[in-house]
Amino acid sequence: NAGVTQTPKFQVLKTGQSMTLQCAQDMNHEYMSWYRQDPGMGLRLIHYSVGAGITDQGEVPNGYNVSRSTTEDFPLRLLSAAPSQTSVYFCASSSARDTRGPLEQYFGPGTRLTVT
Amino acid sequence: QQQVKQSPQSLIVQKGGISIINCAYENTAFDYFPWYQQFPGKGPALLIAIRPDVSEKKEGRFTISFNKSAKQFSLHIMDSQPGDSATYFCAAILTGTASKLTFGTGTRLQVTL
Repeated sequence: NAGVTQTPKFQVLKTGQSMTLQCAQDMNHEYMSWYRQDPGMGLRLIHYSVGAGITDQGEVPNGYNVSRSTTEDFPLRLLSAAPSQTSVYFCASSSARDTRGPLEQYFGPGTRLTVT
Repeated sequence: QQQVKQSPQSLIVQKGGISIINCAYENTAFDYFPWYQQFPGKGPALLIAIRPDVSEKKEGRFTISFNKSAKQFSLHIMDSQPGDSATYFCAAILTGTASKLTFGTGTRLQVTL
């Protein structure tokens, strides 16, 4: 049971380039989310999904696209990278059936992205 | 608009001391308040959580105190240890809104020997 996995761990992009950050979970969780973490700003929700085929915007969605074709995968796409998107990106998943407490989110190890 | 305000930004505590981190929220509809612990290079992990119908929750050395009328909650770490050195985030969620956590800005805790 790998939990939540993210690839790549590190990435450097040039302004205007596109890329996809990968996220996968093997816990059969319904809910998946993408957050970005910036110094002094905590974690901010980018996009989230409540199940395959269903996605919605979070607090800071501009410049990012998502899709959820399977329960396991939730990729985040940057269509035209900008320096303002330099950040650490975390993917998380959760289940409404978690007995420890409602909606405990399990986070991946993060992707550190630098846009020059 | 920061819906969950967290203080202090950083904290240095001696080993064996008490670490206290405070959070305040604005949205009275929030109904679940977790704390996350994050070590360098890792993703956050759930530490402890509380519902607003409870004024205090304790798990080992970690205690959440909750003041619903003041819209404030705090994390107390008793007998702080060097291994507790990490960044701590408070958060809030409406449990009917799937995975939409609202996080505080984080507190970097350093426990010295």
